[in-house]
Amino acid sequence: AQSVTQLGSHVSVSEGALVLLRCNYSSSVPPYLFWYVQYPNQGLQLLLKYTSAATLVKGINGFEAEFKKSETSFHLTKPSAHMSDAAEYFCAVSDAPSGTYKYIFGTGTRLKVLA
Amino acid sequence: DTGVSQDPRHKITKRGQNVTFRCDPISEHNRLYWYRQTLGQGPEFLTYFQNEAQLEKSRLLSDRFSAERPKGSFSTLEIQRTEQGDSAMYLCASSRAGGQASEQYFGPGTRLTVT
Repeated sequence: AQSVTQLGSHVSVSEGALVLLRCNYSSSVPPYLFWYVQYPNQGLQLLLKYTSAATLVKGINGFEAEFKKSETSFHLTKPSAHMSDAAEYFCAVSDAPSGTYKYIFGTGTRLKVLA
Repeated sequence: DTGVSQDPRHKITKRGQNVTFRCDPISEHNRLYWYRQTLGQGPEFLTYFQNEAQLEKSRLLSDRFSAERPKGSFSTLEIQRTEQGDSAMYLCASSRAGGQASEQYFGPGTRLTVT
């Protein structure tokens, strides 16, 4: 069965510091993985996606993620945090075996950026 | 793209009442998904439409829940005899056909509060 695990429900970083949000996946087939961001009382916005074309994926707002098959990980990073990055971040895997490609989400990581 | 829209954005209802939510997907998207998100959790899949056909329903979707997508355009999600446990954010997403690489675009959600 497809699943993702996000380690750390809350992460705090100082403005200008490195952001690292962790996601590990479990998949019976080569996975397609996604990172979404959610601001308060809003829907989810796609940051980036991994579709097997390249292991290092660049997304919007300076975020990137690296797919590591050996570690079954897809961690999200940003070199320098900005106050506007404060939000909740979700990792998701596409459920290809079901044929519907519905997403299976992690429980989320709330990022706090300290001035 | 005008984006995915949902109506209403907020709904407060008393236990036992029926409620209906509407989702308008991006016009050329033939796939439509409903998810439910409770506080501190990632979104959980409820149901999936391809065009007008409802192809998958989660076990989370009790008999009190029904969804439709007439003519393969907008979709409605109805909850009958609401319970306090139904309080959540209901998210709609749409995507193009194209396998698991086709990302989902989310609406702003409908926040339901059952008193």
